[in-house]
Amino acid sequence: SQQGEEDPQALSIQEGENATMNCSYKTSINNLQWYRQNSGRGLVHLILIRSNEREKHSGRLRVTLDTSKKSSSLLITASRAADTASYFCAPSNKLTFGGGTRVLVKP
Amino acid sequence: NAGVTQTPKFQVLKTGQSMTLQCAQDMNHEYMSWYRQDPGMGLRLIHYSVGAGITDQGEVPNGYNVSRSTTEDFPLRLLSAAPSQTSVYFCASSYSRVGQNGYTFGSGTRLTVV
Repeated sequence: SQQGEEDPQALSIQEGENATMNCSYKTSINNLQWYRQNSGRGLVHLILIRSNEREKHSGRLRVTLDTSKKSSSLLITASRAADTASYFCAPSNKLTFGGGTRVLVKP
Repeated sequence: NAGVTQTPKFQVLKTGQSMTLQCAQDMNHEYMSWYRQDPGMGLRLIHYSVGAGITDQGEVPNGYNVSRSTTEDFPLRLLSAAPSQTSVYFCASSYSRVGQNGYTFGSGTRLTVV
């Protein structure tokens, strides 16, 4: 399976702090995507990183990819209460999801 | 507004009943898929389609049927509802299976089978 597994399962931080979550997968990929899901809503695409990229930025988001370790990380800098959500990674080709990381940003 | 539209938003079924969950997109996406989300289980792929007339099974296809007669629509049919099918169902679409620009998700259908 190309399902990504997110770690940790849950994360609680204060507003203004950084949040880091990791994703591991098992097979070769063409790209890896990160999604956010607010409570009771559909998933929203955040960022895609290709297998030949090592790092990518989008606003306050920073994604890294290490294909040799089959892992990726998502960093949210200067977190806000609105960042409270579940975050999922999706290794490419079949777009399957793990259980996600639930992030709580306390004001 | 361009996007993925799912109907209904909520549904309660009795065991053994059948129903169809509707999914429509107006972005001319070739790839469409259905997921179910259970608490603590993440999203599991039920069925997907890479274009009109082409469908394939995902991780958990049993008890569900799909068809893709047009590019825009990808309905999911529950043949004989069971309590184990109580879940939140999401439809997603993309230009391609690889999803170079990401996948667009609908807002979900919350299904309860009693």
